[in-house]
Amino acid sequence: NAGVTQTPKFRVLKTGQSMTLLCAQDMNHEYMYWYRQDPGMGLRLIHYSVGEGTTAKGEVPDGYNVSRLKKQNFLLGLESAAPSQTSVYFCASSRARQGGPDTQYFGPGTRLTVL
Amino acid sequence: SQKIEQNSEALNIQEGKTATLTCNYTNYSPAYLQWYRQDPGRGPVFLLLIRENEKEKRKERLKVTFDTTLKQSLFHITASQPADSATYLCALDVGRDDKIIFGKGTRLHILP
Repeated sequence: NAGVTQTPKFRVLKTGQSMTLLCAQDMNHEYMYWYRQDPGMGLRLIHYSVGEGTTAKGEVPDGYNVSRLKKQNFLLGLESAAPSQTSVYFCASSRARQGGPDTQYFGPGTRLTVL
Repeated sequence: SQKIEQNSEALNIQEGKTATLTCNYTNYSPAYLQWYRQDPGRGPVFLLLIRENEKEKRKERLKVTFDTTLKQSLFHITASQPADSATYLCALDVGRDDKIIFGKGTRLHILP
């Protein structure tokens, strides 16, 4: 099993460009998450999904959109990139269980630079 | 507002000693708390989960305690080794929401 994979690993964008980050998991997990990690800020939740076809906003959703058309995939879109979106982006997935999510499995991250 | 604090940004410990990391929280009543390890350039990796009705959990050289009265968790690594050097993150569930909140992490350096 590959676990959680993220595409691409690195990307440089110019301000105003758009892009989509792809997250895929092969563990049949219900829940999927997108985080960004910045120095001194820790992991902050952007958007998440509790099942195919559902999405919800996290702590820092502005400037991002997501889609979960298939259970195994969770896409993060930047419609008009800004330098403030320079960060490392992590995708994670977990099983669903009573009382909340299970432990999270993380991907290797995507390092995005917006010039 | 809800808040999670990990005791320090960085911690230096001599090899062979016990490293103790702290996670404090306010305005939460988490059902469980998790600890993750993150190496540079990699995603976090789950280490241990402890539930609100458990006082202590162990896994090999790792031990976690959870005091819901003090609103604190302690993470111990005994007989520490340079390979234990990493950033350690604590994470709490936030009740009915389907997500967890992470602390900012503590960078642990085990000195040979």
